Amino acid sequence: DQQVKQNSPSLSVQEGRISILNCDYTNSMFDYFLWYKKYPAEGPTFLISISSIKDKNEDGRFTVFLNKSAKHLSLHIVPSQPGDSAVYFCAATLYSGGGADGLTFGKGTHLIIQP
Amino acid sequence: KAGVTQTPRYLIKTRGQQVTLSCSPISGHRSVSWYQQTPGQGLQFLFEYFSETQRNKGNFPGRFSGRQFSNSRSEMNVSTLELGDSALYLCASSLELAGDNEQFFGPGTRLTVL
Repeated sequence: DQQVKQNSPSLSVQEGRISILNCDYTNSMFDYFLWYKKYPAEGPTFLISISSIKDKNEDGRFTVFLNKSAKHLSLHIVPSQPGDSAVYFCAATLYSGGGADGLTFGKGTHLIIQP
Repeated sequence: KAGVTQTPRYLIKTRGQQVTLSCSPISGHRSVSWYQQTPGQGLQFLFEYFSETQRNKGNFPGRFSGRQFSNSRSEMNVSTLELGDSALYLCASSLELAGDNEQFFGPGTRLTVL
């Protein structure tokens, strides 16, 4: 049973436009969410996170939105740049108590930025 | 500061064999977590070690085991390999337990089971 779902395996966006990556989760106990970016042959790198007490967190071109009632979060990248082409993983965990089950990841969305 | 290193980077084994993968965390990091990445299942949590003790465990069979040494380096062992164990195995380190801290990932070990 996939507790974290990224329903779009790939997404193509034109350079300069906004990229929106979506993520849904089923476990209402999750209270901390993270986005990771992964290039081929490299490990994932942390991008941005959000606690369940917030509904938005912004860091430069990256903004994560959390809708707890819908159990949905999204990552907005604006403007999109060629270097943003990568696989993006959404992850969730129980922040308090040290993360009982580690991070639970979605299957990833391959973002392709077209020139 | 050096990042997380994993050895070997690539490994080919046959069914029934066993394998040991190694992970050296960032200096000063005390937690090491292991993940399996496959195309069909994405990234799945295997286990986390902190101060030489397994603190958390994912939903994997007992063939998957690990340990952590006093210098925080960690090894993961898979016994009686199956074809389905072919995957990228990622190690991640964090200062304290992973749930409270950002994790830094290594490049992974690509295991192919023939």
